[in-house]
Amino acid sequence: NAGVTQTPKFRVLKTGQSMTLLCAQDMNHEYMYWYRQDPGMGLRLIHYSVGEGTTAKGEVPDGYNVSRLKKQNFLLGLESAAPSQTSVYFCASSTYTESTYGYTFGSGTRLTVV
Amino acid sequence: AQSVTQLDSQVPVFEEAPVELRCNYSSSVSVYLFWYVQYPNQGLQLLLKYLSGSTLVESINGFEAEFNKSQTSFHLRKPSVHISDTAEYFCAVLRTDSWGKLQFGAGTQVVVTP
Repeated sequence: NAGVTQTPKFRVLKTGQSMTLLCAQDMNHEYMYWYRQDPGMGLRLIHYSVGEGTTAKGEVPDGYNVSRLKKQNFLLGLESAAPSQTSVYFCASSTYTESTYGYTFGSGTRLTVV
Repeated sequence: AQSVTQLDSQVPVFEEAPVELRCNYSSSVSVYLFWYVQYPNQGLQLLLKYLSGSTLVESINGFEAEFNKSQTSFHLRKPSVHISDTAEYFCAVLRTDSWGKLQFGAGTQVVVTP
């Protein structure tokens, strides 16, 4: 039972390069999220999706794009990386009703932009 | 608007002493509340959650938190800490109308020393 899998786990980019982070979940969750974690700021929501083919902006969306072509996958793209995007990125998926709540995080991707 | 405030960025504590981590939130709608723990160089683990019912919730490793609606707080306590409790602790809030989006506090680093 894999849960939420993020690839890659580590990456170093040069300023201006592009890359895509992949998040895959096997729990049939409708909702998926991308967060970034920075020291002293907790986790902040970048983008999220409430179902296949849908995406929406979170708190800090600038410089990122996302796609959810398949229900199980949520991709985060950096078109032109900047040092300010050095961070740890966490993907999550959730299922949510009035009486239950399940939220699963991936293990994170540590990205350094030089 | 919604905010989550963790009042202490770092809490040093001696082994076997009690600890309290404070979390306050603001929200115009009802919320679910969570505490997550992050051990060094690891991902996030759910420690405990409040969805409804009893305002006092407990984890399997001795932590407890109490939801206080009038004071909009969800403080985390443990009566006797271990060295292994050294970690960063995040309070998180989910608005019940927010598609499962979590808003995190900035985190509290707990350092347990002998």
